[in-house]
Amino acid sequence: DQQVKQNSPSLSVQEGRISILNCDYTNSMFDYFLWYKKYPAEGPTFLISISSIKDKNEDGRFTVFLNKSAKHLSLHIVPSQPGDSAVYFCAARQDTGGTSYGKLTFGQGTILTVHP
Amino acid sequence: SAVISQKPSRDICQRGTSLTIQCQVDSQVTMMFWYRQQPGQSLTLIATANQGSEATYESGFVIDKFPISRPNLTFSTLTVSNMSPEDSSIYLCSVEEPAGGSGNTIYFGEGSWLTVV
Repeated sequence: DQQVKQNSPSLSVQEGRISILNCDYTNSMFDYFLWYKKYPAEGPTFLISISSIKDKNEDGRFTVFLNKSAKHLSLHIVPSQPGDSAVYFCAARQDTGGTSYGKLTFGQGTILTVHP
Repeated sequence: SAVISQKPSRDICQRGTSLTIQCQVDSQVTMMFWYRQQPGQSLTLIATANQGSEATYESGFVIDKFPISRPNLTFSTLTVSNMSPEDSSIYLCSVEEPAGGSGNTIYFGEGSWLTVV
């Protein structure tokens, strides 16, 4: 049961344009969502997060939008740079307290390629 | 954010052997988490490690295969026992830190890339 889905395995964008990475989820108990960037054989780097009580969070070139009714979130990168080329993972957390706090469910990832 | 260091960064292991991965954090944290990313796959949580108590394992992972230690608030180890080629993965240590606002954030170490031959 894939509770977090990133349906686009890859995305190719021209430098300077907007990159939009999408993520869908099925578990309505998820209350916190995060985006990570990952290079091969390295650990994920935290980019931005959003609580389920918000619909938008912005940090520099990165903006995350959350549509709770559609169980959909997206990461916008503007303007895209070649250094943004990496795998992007969407992750979700269900706060059930105790040891489950902080347990993340990840999507499959989307490979972003930004062309100069 | 916390600085998370893992050792080894990568290793090639013989089938049937065991390897212990170390995770050191530069600040005290309550919970540490161990994840695995198999080739071409997403990240999957193996277990949650609290200091002073037994680790909590996710479905599909057992203590005999992945024993975990958490001797203090800055250190944890994950052992991959009796390794087979299917254990070839990146193993990631992570910690939870307050990120302000309404939630905490999970930060990851650089990962330990194990290849079992």
